[in-house]
Amino acid sequence: KNEVEQSPQNLTAQEGEFITINCSYSVGISALHWLQQHPGGGIVSLFMLSSGKKKHGRLIATINIQEKHSSLHITASHPRDSAVYICARPGTASKLTFGTGTRLQVTL
Amino acid sequence: GAVVSQHPSWVICKSGTSVKIECRSLDFQATTMFWYRQFPKQSLMLMATSNEGSKATYEQGVEKDKFLINHASLTLSTLTVTSAHPEDSSFYICSAREAGLETDTQYFGPGTRLTVL
Repeated sequence: KNEVEQSPQNLTAQEGEFITINCSYSVGISALHWLQQHPGGGIVSLFMLSSGKKKHGRLIATINIQEKHSSLHITASHPRDSAVYICARPGTASKLTFGTGTRLQVTL
Repeated sequence: GAVVSQHPSWVICKSGTSVKIECRSLDFQATTMFWYRQFPKQSLMLMATSNEGSKATYEQGVEKDKFLINHASLTLSTLTVTSAHPEDSSFYICSAREAGLETDTQYFGPGTRLTVL
């Protein structure tokens, strides 16, 4: 079992829909990363959060440290949001353990 | 924001040759850089941790003599794939952690796609 689990693995949505991607982890952490990998492979760090909620544009990330769960929400989704979304937890020496990723496809 | 570049963005080489990939932090100093490998439809896998001025730390199963890492300055780490074979074809990504910060924020490079013929 992967230390960091994501669901769903694949997600197709229509433009404008509200999207939720979930991340659960088995080992206690102090913070969690959300990353976005574009079709070309480049990775962008979206959030690093240790408690509560963070918002950036149409993206919202929440975390519940006690329940070992985090969610990434996208409001008013757009085709340009199509990407793989990855959660990752930092471990010893800042090494990241990655989730399996959620492949999002937003259609017109 | 902090920018990490990689060069080249893609490379095709013949089997048996060596390929060097550069990872640079453009507007900050990075005492620690990480090298990852990603096969199609799979998650990133950490290969090694590169520390400025000292030897890299390799993850289990990664051959240090095959994947040579040099972190000679606070803004540059290089990964050399020696005697490359088709099974080394992959997407290689680096990330850098900014020196002096207590946060675990890592900034990722755009990746290098290696194809070994």
